[in-house]
Amino acid sequence: DAGVTQSPTHLIKTRGQQVTLRCSPKSGHDTVSWYQQALGQGPQFIFQYYEEEERQRGNFPDRFSGHQFPNYSSELNVNALLLGDSALYLCASSLGDRSSYEQYFGPGTRLTVT
Amino acid sequence: AQSVTQLGSHVSVSEGALVLLRCNYSSSVPPYLFWYVQYPNQGLQLLLKYTTGATLVKGINGFEAEFKKSETSFHLTKPSAHMSDAAEYFCAVIYNAGGTSYGKLTFGQGTILTVHP
Repeated sequence: DAGVTQSPTHLIKTRGQQVTLRCSPKSGHDTVSWYQQALGQGPQFIFQYYEEEERQRGNFPDRFSGHQFPNYSSELNVNALLLGDSALYLCASSLGDRSSYEQYFGPGTRLTVT
Repeated sequence: AQSVTQLGSHVSVSEGALVLLRCNYSSSVPPYLFWYVQYPNQGLQLLLKYTTGATLVKGINGFEAEFKKSETSFHLTKPSAHMSDAAEYFCAVIYNAGGTSYGKLTFGQGTILTVHP
């Protein structure tokens, strides 16, 4: 049973550029959440997608946007990159019916902005 | 603002000693509570969770945690530390579970556990 997968593993971008990160949820899961983990910090919630709609959003600017596809996979897009966007981006999948609230995390994408 | 506090950013124990990692949440309404572990350059793995029912919950790798409503705490313990337990541990909370929350996890700052031989 494949767990949550993310691509790419590492990414280096320049300030002002745009980036797209990808996530495939655990088999059977229909909900994807994205988190940003800065160095030495706990993860911070960016947003959650369910039924191809953004269902809940954290305190992140509009430069952060996402998408969920019919197969439940998801993308996180960040525009106009800032140095402060350098972080580990984690994707988590779960069941949308909230029966357990358990979220399963992928290995993350390490984004470095120079 | 609703938050999660982990006391001690670094905890060091000897192999075989008791592990105690502290977590407090800020809400009068009991949230859903979780402990995750993160090994270097990896994602988060769920150790255990509390939603309702028995306040002492057991997780993987011999860890357990007790929900204490009067203390707004959910401390993580393990009777005997093993070298393989060295990692960073995060306490996380879902506030308004079943209400306006759809599973937004609020994390503490993390506690790095070091185990000495």
